[in-house]
Amino acid sequence: GESVGLHLPTLSVQEGDNSIINCAYSNSASDYFIWYKQESGKGPQFIIDIRSNMDKRQGQRVTVLLNKTVKHLSLQIAATQPGDSAVYFCAENRVETGANNLFFGTGTRLTVIP
Amino acid sequence: NAGVMQNPRHLVRRRGQEARLRCSPMKGHSHVYWYRQLPEEGLKFMVYLQKENIIDESGMPKERFSAEFPKEGPSILRIQQVVRGDSAAYFCASSSGTGQQQLTFGSGTRLTVV
Repeated sequence: GESVGLHLPTLSVQEGDNSIINCAYSNSASDYFIWYKQESGKGPQFIIDIRSNMDKRQGQRVTVLLNKTVKHLSLQIAATQPGDSAVYFCAENRVETGANNLFFGTGTRLTVIP
Repeated sequence: NAGVMQNPRHLVRRRGQEARLRCSPMKGHSHVYWYRQLPEEGLKFMVYLQKENIIDESGMPKERFSAEFPKEGPSILRIQQVVRGDSAAYFCASSSGTGQQQLTFGSGTRLTVV
């Protein structure tokens, strides 16, 4: 289901620590997932993606893990920096819709403490 | 590459007026998506268009809302007879084709209905 009118989950980390942001998805038919970062007043910005035939993918300072058994996605940010402070959304591509539209989770607000 | 361009950035309308939101996709992109975001919430899919065609409008209210992507010019999201509940950020995204791929988002239009 969708969360309406609820405050975003928040995560506060110390600068330099690693951050882990979690996301649960509901549709077992989804086969493509993306993490987006949204800074205040801006549009979502692509971070990293993963297809369902993979369980891990690494980028620069970021790693996405996919557990299809429990329908769980996580984003790991290494050595978190103040510039990482933002809201992070996971998005899933639901194959059965027949279109390339993405469905977004509620989001997690990450605050990095200098 | 200017990216996805949306205008205006901010739009204020009185109840009952019409709101027109414009989106120019990235150069080379022929697929446009509109999303709506309420404060502290995720993005909700509204409509997916290709040039001169609406592919999926399952997320768009049946009344007062319409979208187009003409052969020439930007995509337009039109809201007639706006109400206070239409106040939100409206984001446009584009992609180069079908299939699983990331969407590139614009900076959004923040609509305020007074």
